[in-house]
Order: sequence, then structure tokens, then C-alpha cells
Amino acid sequence: IVLTQSPGTLSLSPGEGATLSCRASQSVSSSYLAWYQHKPGQAPRLLVYGASSRATGIPDRFSGSGSGTDFTLTISRLAPEDFAVYYCHHYGSSPLTFGGGTKVEIK
Amino acid sequence: EVQLLESGGNLVQPGGSLRLSCAASGFTFRNYAMNWVRQAPGKGLEWVSGISPSGSDTSYADSVKGRFTISRDNTENTVNLQMNSLGAEDTAVYFCAKASGLYFYYYYMDVWGKGHKVTVSS
Repeated sequence: IVLTQSPGTLSLSPGEGATLSCRASQSVSSSYLAWYQHKPGQAPRLLVYGASSRATGIPDRFSGSGSGTDFTLTISRLAPEDFAVYYCHHYGSSPLTFGGGTKVEIK
Repeated sequence: EVQLLESGGNLVQPGGSLRLSCAASGFTFRNYAMNWVRQAPGKGLEWVSGISPSGSDTSYADSVKGRFTISRDNTENTVNLQMNSLGAEDTAVYFCAKASGLYFYYYYMDVWGKGHKVTVSS
């Protein structure tokens, strides 16, 4: 299953909202769609699993939604620490796959 | 605190071999599947391999099948990645990641190490 993320880059200011898209090449169970945040030199951080369940300790400004082939990660109000690369990930079958990533950068 | 720490060689010539290890702590290692994921320079994340809690089931990305071997030692709480016939395309940061359950699929990766840089170059 190929995951395509858009846009490639989002240029936004702190306090603005962000909408990140992930499209699957075929319908997938929402039970097996996750989102990760990744900053340079750090471990990727799990944000959302099962398409819409926030991981432990993740602020409620992060929310996931979607089903079938279209999934979305929404960040309601960007905090300074939210500028990073975000990946969607399908784990419902082998091989596991990741999207190409969306970079959220400071405008 | 749940922790994963990768280690191993950093630089290898094309055609050479390298072995990476990941030391786990803070959880009951033998109960969880484990994965290796890599990130080539300027690229995104790529799943490399996964292993079941007992080590009896393994799976590989097509890009490494036949060259890489994943294994684990549940007495030492380590998961390993033996990499053979390395090429420049294998240059990447390699992350160890814990699955949230029994399988390397069906379960998301909830804890990751900080990664280990591997460079394949002459």
C-alpha cells in the first residue's frame, strides 16, 4: 500500500492551524493508520494511532480523522515546538509503509 | 522509562557487512514485536524489517530481502540487524522501534530509539 502525503511543505506561523493529508493507494482499515512527528536528530514520536486515537501525552491540538483512502492530521493552533516533519504510516499488513512526509515550517 | 538504544559500526565499504544492535529497557521485551526503520539522507522513513516476540516470524522490505537478517535475544533484551552486501543505497540512519503488541504488523510502533547512522562508502 502506497501512502501519498500532501502538501510536501506547509509554511505557517505559530498560532495558525495546519491540515495534513495522507492518501492510500487502496482502501485501508482505519484501525491501522498512524501519524508520527519527527525532528532532526530525534526519535520519531507517535501522535495518533487507529486514525483518530491520540497517543499518551499528546496535546489535544493534534487530531486525526479519515477512513478508506483519505486521512487527515489536524493541528489546531501551531505551537513553536510543532514545526517538524510529519509522517503517516500504515501497519495493517506487511510490508509496513510510510508516506513521504509533510514538512511544517515556520513562515 | 522505556528506552531503546542502537549501536554498531558506522562506516563500511560497498559490499561489506555490518551488524546493528538495539538494547531495550523499561518493558517486558519478550512480549513485544520489534522493528527496524531507516531514513536515508534527505528522504523519508522506510520500514526495513520486523520480528515477532519469540523470533520465529520475521519479515523484510523487498529492498533488503536476502541481504539483511533480523534476530533477537530475549535473555539479553536485544534485537539485531545483520546487514550484508551493503551498497550506497543502504546509507541511512537506522531506528529500532518497539511494536505496541505481538505482531510487527497490526500494531503501531510506540517507542523509537534515537537512531544510528550507517554510511556505506569507499
